[in-house]
Amino acid sequence: GIQVEQSPPDLILQEGANSTLRCNFSDSVNNLQWFHQNPWGQLINLFYIPSGTKQNGRLSATTVATERYSLLYISSSQTTDSGVYFCAVGPSSNFGNEKLTFGTGTRLTIIP
Amino acid sequence: DAGVTQSPTHLIKTRGQHVTLRCSPISGHKSVSWYQQVLGQGPQFIFQYYEKEERGRGNFPDRFSARQFPNYSSELNVNALLLGDSALYLCASSSPLGIGTDTQYFGPGTRLTVL
Repeated sequence: GIQVEQSPPDLILQEGANSTLRCNFSDSVNNLQWFHQNPWGQLINLFYIPSGTKQNGRLSATTVATERYSLLYISSSQTTDSGVYFCAVGPSSNFGNEKLTFGTGTRLTIIP
Repeated sequence: DAGVTQSPTHLIKTRGQHVTLRCSPISGHKSVSWYQQVLGQGPQFIFQYYEKEERGRGNFPDRFSARQFPNYSSELNVNALLLGDSALYLCASSSPLGIGTDTQYFGPGTRLTVL
């Protein structure tokens, strides 16, 4: 099956700093989503981005499908950005099936 | 509109027991998927149901089963519980197409502890 790798595994930043999280995947995809998991376990949708670039406030994401990677940018970090960020993909070979394969996540800690 | 809802929020069972978890999708969504998240790992796909039919199954034993009802809500059943079944169980729903090319929205999860 498809492999998803996220880096770095852990990131500790001062409030106000910028960060870049990376997601590499091993096969072509028809679905790629970024999630933020809060301390209570809720997975919050950030982006649906199988290709291209999107921005939402301080967050933006870019997926280069031909090179099989996606980047999540967080600017001017706030303490509320702390948590685990997951990349999840649905390979194009699964067309008709909604299985998402998740990476192992990046744990982001923002220090005041 | 309400998001994906799951019940119960927490559950404690003992080894060998059976458990039923419930999920209601976002209104208008016909696809429901179930995931298991063990502490420290990313969620793992268990099942997807669309229009009451199984569309996909992950690498889980036959002790795990699910079904979808005419109103598109779903149940996940786990028999003969093992300590290793302790996890956060997440339900996700997506748009009427359910073919894997749309955003999936997750519920708050059910935290199962097996003693």
